[in-house]
Amino acid sequence: DTGVSQNPRHKITKRGQNVTFRCDPISEHNRLYWYRQTLGQGPEFLTYFQNEAQLEKSRLLSDRFSAERPKGSFSTLEIQRTEQGDSAMYLCASSPRLAGGRMSNEQFFGPGTRLTVL
Amino acid sequence: AQSVAQPEDQVNVAEGNPLTVKCTYSVSGNPYLFWYVQYPNRGLQFLLKYITGDNLVKGSYGFEAEFNKSQTSFHLKKPSALVSDSALYFCAVRDMGYRGSTLGRLYFGRGTQLTVWP
Repeated sequence: DTGVSQNPRHKITKRGQNVTFRCDPISEHNRLYWYRQTLGQGPEFLTYFQNEAQLEKSRLLSDRFSAERPKGSFSTLEIQRTEQGDSAMYLCASSPRLAGGRMSNEQFFGPGTRLTVL
Repeated sequence: AQSVAQPEDQVNVAEGNPLTVKCTYSVSGNPYLFWYVQYPNRGLQFLLKYITGDNLVKGSYGFEAEFNKSQTSFHLKKPSALVSDSALYFCAVRDMGYRGSTLGRLYFGRGTQLTVWP
């Protein structure tokens, strides 16, 4: 399977603990996005990378959240001092660069990591 | 700011009947519109998109969507529903970003649960 992969698929943690999620985008996709989806809501944008550069962060991304994409390939999303309100599905998506440097209009989503904070 | 509204939380149809899942949008410029489907424990799967051109867009699995600029709508349709179409459907609009660049973040609606009865 050459799609976007995310690990772990499920994470249960106690409030106050730190967690880290990993996303492996489709090979050679230069753009990578993180979204959060809570129950009954659509996905909400968190942050976005173009290669290794983090170009935008949503106001939803508090200072307890940090994302990296050190080599422009996989990305990690860390949540420090988790709170019950952090319980959600965390989705990663990637998008390729087209010929001529144009950006694809399509984002390919991974299966998500479901976080439960007790 | 970009936004999407899906006025129906649930749509129920009998197998073989036509289905419509509604979506309205608000954008500051030209809309880039998308439909995604989400099955349980799966990531979002791309169905179709409208960028420009014909107002009737055809996508995967026999789905199509009609772009209506005057009504700012992008309703998803299928002539004959299947039980296997039962899933959560999301409409999304893309952020065109600032002049000279596109960020590509998607703004999603809350989703519509489609149930097709045999």
